[in-house]
Amino acid sequence: DTAVSQTPKYLVTQMGNDKSIKCEQNLGHDTMYWYKQDSKKFLKIMFSYNNKELIINETVPNRFSPKSPDKAHLNLHINSLELGDSAVYFCASSQEVPPNRPGNEQFFGPGTRLTVL
Amino acid sequence: DQQVKQNSPSLSVQEGRISILNCDYTNSMFDYFLWYKKYPAEGPTFLISISSIKDKNEDGRFTVFLNKSAKHLSLHIVPSQPGDSAVYFCAASAVFRGSGNTGKLIFGQGTTLQVKP
Repeated sequence: DTAVSQTPKYLVTQMGNDKSIKCEQNLGHDTMYWYKQDSKKFLKIMFSYNNKELIINETVPNRFSPKSPDKAHLNLHINSLELGDSAVYFCASSQEVPPNRPGNEQFFGPGTRLTVL
Repeated sequence: DQQVKQNSPSLSVQEGRISILNCDYTNSMFDYFLWYKKYPAEGPTFLISISSIKDKNEDGRFTVFLNKSAKHLSLHIVPSQPGDSAVYFCAASAVFRGSGNTGKLIFGQGTTLQVKP
């Protein structure tokens, strides 16, 4: 039974297209996140939602729009895809909002590898 | 400006020996540190953490050491097993007072550990 799941696992698309990545967690957590792992392997936070409310919004192009229909789901929609958007995108969840403390660690999904051609 | 750095991209050790993975940080306000482990095609999974009020935390074969004056932490795995072969990410967070800090996790770029049988 997967705790944090993402679909699709792989996504190959052309520049200029619009695509979405879906994330669901069945842990009963209140907070969800999107991270981007770039070519240099750093994991960087993009967004975080708590109970459907945006709480973290890093300096991300507004082509990226997260949507949280309920606290178990956090989807990422990307408009007008660019070559530089190619990366692995990870969804995560935690019991409460940051900061992280014992018992409030983040659980990650398996990642979505996005390739923009 | 990368606030958490793992300067060794890879490490190879023999089964049964000790693995030592290192991490340096620059922000003196960080007060909670975590190690995550990542297998290929999977998301990072939480391994062990340490608060800045401690200098050591142990969990089975895994021990994390924190040297606040040096802004350095390390993960010791002993004895190392082939199943420990993975990418290990160091992460840090802080709780500031005010300034809009979100307590987000800042990750290093990871160290690939290979444990040879």
